[in-house]
Amino acid sequence: DGGITQSPKYLFRKEGQNVTLSCEQNLNHDAMYWYRQDPGQGLRLIYYSQIVNDFQKGDIAEGYSVSREKKESFPLTVTSAQKNPTAFYLCASSMAREDSPLHFGNGTRLTVT
Amino acid sequence: GENVEQHPSTLSVQEGDSAVIKCTYSDSASNYFPWYKQELGKGPQLIIDIRSNVGEKKDQRIAVTLNKTAKHFSLHITETQPEDSAVYFCAASNSFGNEKLTFGTGTRLTIIP
Repeated sequence: DGGITQSPKYLFRKEGQNVTLSCEQNLNHDAMYWYRQDPGQGLRLIYYSQIVNDFQKGDIAEGYSVSREKKESFPLTVTSAQKNPTAFYLCASSMAREDSPLHFGNGTRLTVT
Repeated sequence: GENVEQHPSTLSVQEGDSAVIKCTYSDSASNYFPWYKQELGKGPQLIIDIRSNVGEKKDQRIAVTLNKTAKHFSLHITETQPEDSAVYFCAASNSFGNEKLTFGTGTRLTIIP
């Protein structure tokens, strides 16, 4: 079955440590996205990539970094510079055309203490 | 930038009754309005969308209406069933790219058997 795999489902880290969240898709989608979801807030875009080896900052990119070395993979690193990293992180992908909807993974819940 | 407000934040309805969730947007240039459903422990999934050249769209028990003059759009679910229980997000965009989507804050819908 085609889809987006995010791993792990739950992640715990100590404050001051960098952590990398995995996102893999086998939908052959060109575009990939990272969103952050907090209680009572809508999804906020962190980074997106429309093509391999290229990515753009979203609305809340500070304290995060990404890479897009392969079409299938778009890992997100939450750095120690992120002031409030505890959140639910969602990865998504879509075709690079106007009417292509977002396909989301099942998310990673990151807890930093 | 775009601002999307969504109401109510929680909604409980008896099984078989109808549910209505409303969103307003601020950018009159917005032309694409998707609705996503997020079940517990999963990522959001597109359930219906509408473009600004259409006033209403229906898919079985789900319908979306758009009032461009008032800048609001609504999700209507008829004959609700227990599996409709989830969090619903509206979104708006004035661009062809998913990176321009602004999401509402979500509505937790509970269907009471």
